[in-house]
Amino acid sequence: QVQLVESGGGVVQPGTSLRLSCAASGFTFSSYGMHWVRQAPGQGLEWVAVISYDGSNQYYADSVKGRFTISRDTSKNTLFLQMNSLRVEDTAVYYCARFAVTTWDYWGQGTLVTVSS
Amino acid sequence: QSVLTQPPSASGTPGQRVTISCSGSNSNIGSYAISWYQHLPGTAPKLLIYSNNQRPSGVPDRFSGSKSGTSASLAISGLQSEDEADYYCAAWDDSLNGLFGGGTKLTVL
Repeated sequence: QVQLVESGGGVVQPGTSLRLSCAASGFTFSSYGMHWVRQAPGQGLEWVAVISYDGSNQYYADSVKGRFTISRDTSKNTLFLQMNSLRVEDTAVYYCARFAVTTWDYWGQGTLVTVSS
Repeated sequence: QSVLTQPPSASGTPGQRVTISCSGSNSNIGSYAISWYQHLPGTAPKLLIYSNNQRPSGVPDRFSGSKSGTSASLAISGLQSEDEADYYCAAWDDSLNGLFGGGTKLTVL
């Protein structure tokens, strides 16, 4: 069955960096676009970034553009989110999600990132 | 403030039918398929409806979706206590961004 498992979250100070990982299994990873979506405490879901199935295209929310980089390693079936210049407002649970044609159909359980001084 | 607008809350009693609306624009709902998710804190969002009105296998037919123009709605019939959760609509946008509604907290009275 499809599984997405995020890791790499933690507590960091403003201005520092963190890299999240999402290990995928149970499907052909190289055939699907992959996304990161986050949820700040007490807030709704916010789309963060997408990478195409072959890694050739990436798009970002304005709130993270220039600071976050999405990438993938097909040989390891793993999705990444490199987060630089972290801000307090980046504090959130970060989910990876598979995109199938029209929808985000499978999601991971999320990993918590806390940015605090 | 989310580009896709949902009411912040909704409620109903067991057995009732409730609907949750989602309003957007021509660049998102008007042009792309909409999805609906059920989300409980600390868990992975669960896909309820995709392609406007399609249910994944395993989702009860109590859940239904519809879309008209730049608006969409999720209907839940035969409301049950376990339906108490947050519900989100989602769609793609011409700006090549994913969009989620602000979420609707459903309370079963």
